[in-house]
Amino acid sequence: NAGVTQTPKFQVLKTGQSMTLQCAQDMNHEYMSWYRQDPGMGLRLIHYSVGAGITDQGEVPNGYNVSRSTTEDFPLRLLSAAPSQTSVYFCASSPAGTTYNEQFFGPGTRLTVL
Amino acid sequence: AQSVTQLGSHVSVSEGALVLLRCNYSSSVPPYLFWYVQYPNQGLQLLLKYTSAATLVKGINGFEAEFKKSETSFHLTKPSAHMSDAAEYFCAVSGGSNYKLTFGKGTLLTVNP
Repeated sequence: NAGVTQTPKFQVLKTGQSMTLQCAQDMNHEYMSWYRQDPGMGLRLIHYSVGAGITDQGEVPNGYNVSRSTTEDFPLRLLSAAPSQTSVYFCASSPAGTTYNEQFFGPGTRLTVL
Repeated sequence: AQSVTQLGSHVSVSEGALVLLRCNYSSSVPPYLFWYVQYPNQGLQLLLKYTSAATLVKGINGFEAEFKKSETSFHLTKPSAHMSDAAEYFCAVSGGSNYKLTFGKGTLLTVNP
């Protein structure tokens, strides 16, 4: 199993550009989440999904859109990039069932917005 | 609602010394608690988790943590630090849903030779 994969690994955007961060998992996990990591801030939840067709907002959703058409994929869209969205983005997945199932994290996408 | 406070954004120890990373939590429901480790330029890897089965939890790489409800703490320890332990460590709490973890701000562990 590849686990959780993310593409691209690095990306530089100009202010106002849009792009999609890709996330895929091959573990048949129902739950998937997107976090952003900023220095001194830990990880903050952007959006999450409890299954195909079901998404909801996390702590910092503004400026981001998500959709979940399949169990495997959970892309994150930046509609109009801003310098404040410069961050490292992590996708995670976890199986449904008990609430202490761990989340499995991808390697991250480092995004810079100029 | 839940929150996590990690005391000390940077901890420095000598190789062979005790490692103690502090985590205090707040949760309105019985919590599930996790410690993750992040090596430079990598994703997060689970070290250990508290699931209410036992208050002393053993994880990978010789780490362990003790859940103390009265102190709302879940501190991470390792008896003897190794150079390979240098990384950033995150404490996280799940207040009833494992797709919505709340993370602390992280503690960077430096191990000196």
